[in-house]
Amino acid sequence: QSVLTQPPSVSGAPGQRVTISCTGSWSNLGGGFDVHWYQQFPGAAPKLLIYGNRNRPSGVPDRFSGSKADTSASLTIIGLQPEDEAVYFCQSNDRSLNGAVFGGGTKLTVL
Amino acid sequence: QLQLVQSGAAVKKPGASVRVSCKASGYDFTNYCIHWVRQAPGQGLDWLGFINPRDNSRIYAQKFQGRVTMTMDTSTKTVFMDLSSLRPDDTAVYFCGRDIGDYYGADVWGQGTTVTVSS
Repeated sequence: QSVLTQPPSVSGAPGQRVTISCTGSWSNLGGGFDVHWYQQFPGAAPKLLIYGNRNRPSGVPDRFSGSKADTSASLTIIGLQPEDEAVYFCQSNDRSLNGAVFGGGTKLTVL
Repeated sequence: QLQLVQSGAAVKKPGASVRVSCKASGYDFTNYCIHWVRQAPGQGLDWLGFINPRDNSRIYAQKFQGRVTMTMDTSTKTVFMDLSSLRPDDTAVYFCGRDIGDYYGADVWGQGTTVTVSS
């Protein structure tokens, strides 16, 4: 059971828009901590996709965007492409646990 | 270039300990904490803790306290993660990651080290 809750899977056709949610509590997302998003392909290390709620590292396409409000956060991908098929994880910090916490991950399938 | 390179795969018996190393290059080693995260087969990401090379301080995740120890060698820019009293459910890929500045996010990751615990 992950501290942050994500849907196990989402899907969309090429060119469409998908949103992945991440729900926490007042101990983490709602407690003033930022959310980060990672993209992971099979057999590879996670890749930082969004940091500080809405910032993209250099090289990440602007098709990816993030937002946060209260105890929830979202990752939105517009203009879906086949190479976006991966697992996406949200991450934040938790005051009660005194450490980093992750969502369970969302498998994105591009139909 | 900026990278973290981890040690190779390990196979251990239950009750044993394992050490995984993470060698940094391409940046000022003392300016960034190093996190350890693991991923069991087919599962999500699980944070073990981090070490701060600037002052050798560490924060461990509550569920691993007493079993995990993180150390470093600044002369070789290498961080070590020791996990003791291994159980079969410690079988996972262990990743190190460079902190982005907020003590929980990571922007550069090692390639991962597979640790298998089996009798």
